[in-house]
Amino acid sequence: SYVLTQPPSVSVAPGQTARITCGGNNIGSKSVHWYQQKPGQAPVLVVYDDSDRPSGIPERFSGSNSGNTATLTISRVEAGDEADYYCQVWDSSSDHPYVFGTGTKVTVL
Amino acid sequence: EVQLVESGGGLVKPGGSLRLSCAASGFTFSSYSMNWVRQAPGKGLEWVSSISSSSSYIYYADSVKGRFTISRDNAKNSLYLQMNSLRAEDTAVYYCARTMTTVTTLWFDPWGQGTLVTVSS
Repeated sequence: SYVLTQPPSVSVAPGQTARITCGGNNIGSKSVHWYQQKPGQAPVLVVYDDSDRPSGIPERFSGSNSGNTATLTISRVEAGDEADYYCQVWDSSSDHPYVFGTGTKVTVL
Repeated sequence: EVQLVESGGGLVKPGGSLRLSCAASGFTFSSYSMNWVRQAPGKGLEWVSSISSSSSYIYYADSVKGRFTISRDNAKNSLYLQMNSLRAEDTAVYYCARTMTTVTTLWFDPWGQGTLVTVSS
């Protein structure tokens, strides 16, 4: 089945930019979605279809996808952005079609 | 407001059974595919099962196939997960999530708050 690899952790100072990668074989040919999960809470969608934002998600959250890497970028990081972030794709060719990345813990210094 | 509320979690012995429910509100439940996603303590997200809007299409992760059964009642705006032959590795928070789609992809939005299932003797 399709595998998505994320770095376990990313640290960033307030006001700086955090970049979270999601690696997969030719992931650029798929659409990537990103979820934010704060401790003790359910995941929340922050980016869908590579780069679209749901209503209510700040413009500071953006996404890109090309080649073998998709990236979630958080600009002007705030303390409230500290959370786990997961990428996800839909692999239509698989009988295990919903694939999540391994998750990245973002720490705001 | 779109809302999903899970219930039915608890402590169960290995080999036991449990039925989870998810009550949906704020949207036309019968028009959407629905899903169960779980998260073991301290671990990542794992898709468990999906069901289409009319129950015509059902999918399971290999880890639960043959033990779990997903179902829905559109008249009651409810989603269910019958879990049998439970194992310690099924211990997790179970989330209910709505499927959102475009022509080329699917994702989950929103998610319920989750219900904890603990399998232990």
